[in-house]
Amino acid sequence: GENVEQHPSTLSVQEGDSAVIKCTYSDSASNYFPWYKQELGKRPQLIIDIRSNVGEKKDQRIAVTLNKTAKHFSLHITETQPEDSAVYFCAAKTPGGYNKLIFGAGTRLAVHP
Amino acid sequence: GAVVSQHPSWVICKSGTSVKIECRSLDFQATTMFWYRQFPKQSLMLMATSNEGSKATYEQGVEKDKFLINHASLTLSTLTVTSAHPEDSSFYICSAKSRDSPYEQYFGPGTRLTVT
Repeated sequence: GENVEQHPSTLSVQEGDSAVIKCTYSDSASNYFPWYKQELGKRPQLIIDIRSNVGEKKDQRIAVTLNKTAKHFSLHITETQPEDSAVYFCAAKTPGGYNKLIFGAGTRLAVHP
Repeated sequence: GAVVSQHPSWVICKSGTSVKIECRSLDFQATTMFWYRQFPKQSLMLMATSNEGSKATYEQGVEKDKFLINHASLTLSTLTVTSAHPEDSSFYICSAKSRDSPYEQYFGPGTRLTVT
């Protein structure tokens, strides 16, 4: 089955710096890759997603890139702010069947003022 | 749009008792609902997938007799933790997918279960 690895597990940056989180997936047939932000005790919030027919997508300070050949996808946050501090999860959707999402282990991002 | 609710938001129960958690899609019909469990400082682990009117499909290692899932309608799925034990204490989150969205899942706010 699909396996998603996420790095780093923790990331500490200064306000205004950029943050990059990377994920790799194992099933080359996976076709949808969302990123979620989760604050303590809350539901995961979709912040950006990308489908397998697109290489890059941007939404204001957030961007996601996908390299299907290498089975990598990355989240880029520019001009980080303290309110960006949270746990970020990547996920990959397996095709067919019930469209399950397999999550990475998560990255705890701390943005220091 | 695309709002999912869960009830209760938190529950404390004694060891050996059963607890039911409800997941509702409020403004769309959920063809598929998913149940996840999240232990502190860990990722979301998929427990099972349910389609309306059919039996749930459980992930490997999840005991179907312990975690009973019923997807009775296009807006409601329930998870019953039977004979709960302290190790079942966790954050349980559901998500739902509509027939109109082949990709995105909409997450509920989660239920914090503590078994004493």
